[in-house]
Amino acid sequence: EDKVVQSPLSLVVHEGDTVTLNCSYEVTNFRSLLWYKQEKKAPTFLFMLTSSGIEKKSGRLSSILDKKELSSILNITATQTGDSAIYLCAVIDGSGNTGKLIFGQGTTLQVKP
Amino acid sequence: GAGVSQSPSNKVTEKGKDVELRCDPISGHTALYWYRQRLGQGLEFLIYFQGNSAPDKSGLPSDRFSAERTGESVSTLTIQRTQQEDSAVYLCASSLMGSNQPQHFGDGTRLSIL
Repeated sequence: EDKVVQSPLSLVVHEGDTVTLNCSYEVTNFRSLLWYKQEKKAPTFLFMLTSSGIEKKSGRLSSILDKKELSSILNITATQTGDSAIYLCAVIDGSGNTGKLIFGQGTTLQVKP
Repeated sequence: GAGVSQSPSNKVTEKGKDVELRCDPISGHTALYWYRQRLGQGLEFLIYFQGNSAPDKSGLPSDRFSAERTGESVSTLTIQRTQQEDSAVYLCASSLMGSNQPQHFGDGTRLSIL
């Protein structure tokens, strides 16, 4: 059965710290891996990673995919209280060409002032 | 609007009643998805629309669940004879055509069955 596993499930840090969130996957028909940030409501899209070893960066956030290790990491540097959220990792399942997402459980990040 | 819009944002109903949840995707997005997020669990895929057709309904948990899409735009998810285990946040997402596109989510409908 296809699955996506995130770790840790929760994390508490202080402002200014750097955090690394992990995502591993076992998906037969892997297309791409996506990261989302979910605060109160809609998950908002952060990154989509298709090729191994190419880092994507947006401000203090960056992410990279390792297709050999079937994993990805999301790094957040100089964390701020506004980074507190649930971070979701999802893989596009290529079977049937539907593009449906298989999600991990999420990592809850709390950044304390 | 610019983003995916869902209504209602909250719905409380009694067990056994039918409910309809609505999704307005981003204009021009031909692919539309419904997911369910139960408390403490990850998002689960329910159904996928390409245009007005639903080639993948494999995630619908029972025949009490159905969905339709019209005008390659608005979609409605209907749950008949609701049960307490249907309580969840129902999220809609849309994307451009193609099976390798990022999906953009609405705020969801929080459904509570009493």
